[in-house]
Amino acid sequence: SQKIEQNSEALNIQEGKTATLTCNYTNYSPAYLQWYRQDPGRGPVFLLLIRENEKEKRKERLKVTFDTTLKQSLFHITASQPADSATYLCARQAGTALIFGKGTTLSVSS
Amino acid sequence: NAGVMQNPRHLVRRRGQEARLRCSPMKGHSHVYWYRQLPEEGLKFMVYLQKENIIDESGMPKERFSAEFPKEGPSILRIQQVVRGDSAAYFCASSRSAGPPDNEQFFGPGTRLTVL
Repeated sequence: SQKIEQNSEALNIQEGKTATLTCNYTNYSPAYLQWYRQDPGRGPVFLLLIRENEKEKRKERLKVTFDTTLKQSLFHITASQPADSATYLCARQAGTALIFGKGTTLSVSS
Repeated sequence: NAGVMQNPRHLVRRRGQEARLRCSPMKGHSHVYWYRQLPEEGLKFMVYLQKENIIDESGMPKERFSAEFPKEGPSILRIQQVVRGDSAAYFCASSRSAGPPDNEQFFGPGTRLTVL
């Protein structure tokens, strides 16, 4: 089956460090991968979209990479802050629907 | 410019009752999606609608669940004869277009359904 997996359920880091979250996919080649942020009790908020022909995309302190050989996308938050604490979801397109991973909950301690 | 609106935010129903969840998409968006998030699980796609049409309901349970997006008014997700397993957060999203990559989906705050 076509899976999208986020292997780490939780990640704890100290303020100022770089957080790196992983999203793996199997048995297909997505044309796009998307990353969302979800805070407790809220809906997901779109952060970044990366195409398969893009190696890297940046937005402020965020960076996403797409490695089609490893079948993996990495999501980086540099100079992390306690306000970055949230659950981060990766998603692939399946027709018009989004298929989400289970998410990685990031906790940034001061 | 209001975002996606959902109501109610919290809904409590007893087993066997009906639950009606409403979603008003962002202004200018004619594409609506419903997702369900069960405890300890990820978001799961349920149904995709355009005005007056169900386009893709591949993620919706075959029984007790239905969705509509009338010409006027909000989209409605209806769950009949609710059971405890229906307890979840239900999210609505809307987009301006249907095709990637321009169909960035904007999510509402969700409706948390609790079935007693």
